[in-house]
Amino acid sequence: DAGVIQSPRHEVTEMGQEVTLRCKPISGHNSLFWYRQTMMRGLELLIYFNNNVPIDDSGMPEDRFSAKMPNASFSTLKIQPSEPRDSAVYFCASSSGDGSSANTGELFFGEGSRLTVL
Amino acid sequence: GQQLNQSPQSMFIQEGEDVSMNCTSSSIFNTWLWYKQDPGEGPVLLIALYKAGELTSNGRLTAQFGITRKDSFLNISASIPSDVGIYFCARGGSNYKLTFGKGTLLTVNP
Repeated sequence: DAGVIQSPRHEVTEMGQEVTLRCKPISGHNSLFWYRQTMMRGLELLIYFNNNVPIDDSGMPEDRFSAKMPNASFSTLKIQPSEPRDSAVYFCASSSGDGSSANTGELFFGEGSRLTVL
Repeated sequence: GQQLNQSPQSMFIQEGEDVSMNCTSSSIFNTWLWYKQDPGEGPVLLIALYKAGELTSNGRLTAQFGITRKDSFLNISASIPSDVGIYFCARGGSNYKLTFGKGTLLTVNP
């Protein structure tokens, strides 16, 4: 069975450029999460969708970050304009139900998108 | 925000040795989770704990939910090279929010 699929796996871009990261959750999962991982701050939740609706975006750093989920099988995280401090690994994760199953550990992560902003 | 303190930050051990790592929290929670992240991959759930005092094993891995509900430990027995990776504790909160520890980087020398 396919897991959470993210693309691109690696992206190197210059400061000021727009970056779009993509995620396909596990089929049948209706909760989707975007996390960011850095050495300094560890794993941070950026935004949580349930049934394609953003429920909590309090972790989104600032207005340069936006996320969409146009349908149950696709989500994007966009950074515009990008800055060097955005360099990190961005993970998409999905779970079933209303997201509370994430608390039981039933959270499935993709392989991540490693972003480097020069 | 509520903090999770995970220790040690890193460990270098010889193959065959046992490993122990732990997490503490300033608050009481109902769920403790342990994840492993292999290099270049996303975290994968190893063990989930739902009850104070609960001791759960998964192969060579054993984890316990502390009686005070503020801590948890993970033990790995007879380590092997493929145990290399970053181990994260995570704590369940309200609804969907997991709080992750900073991780323990494990290196196993063959």
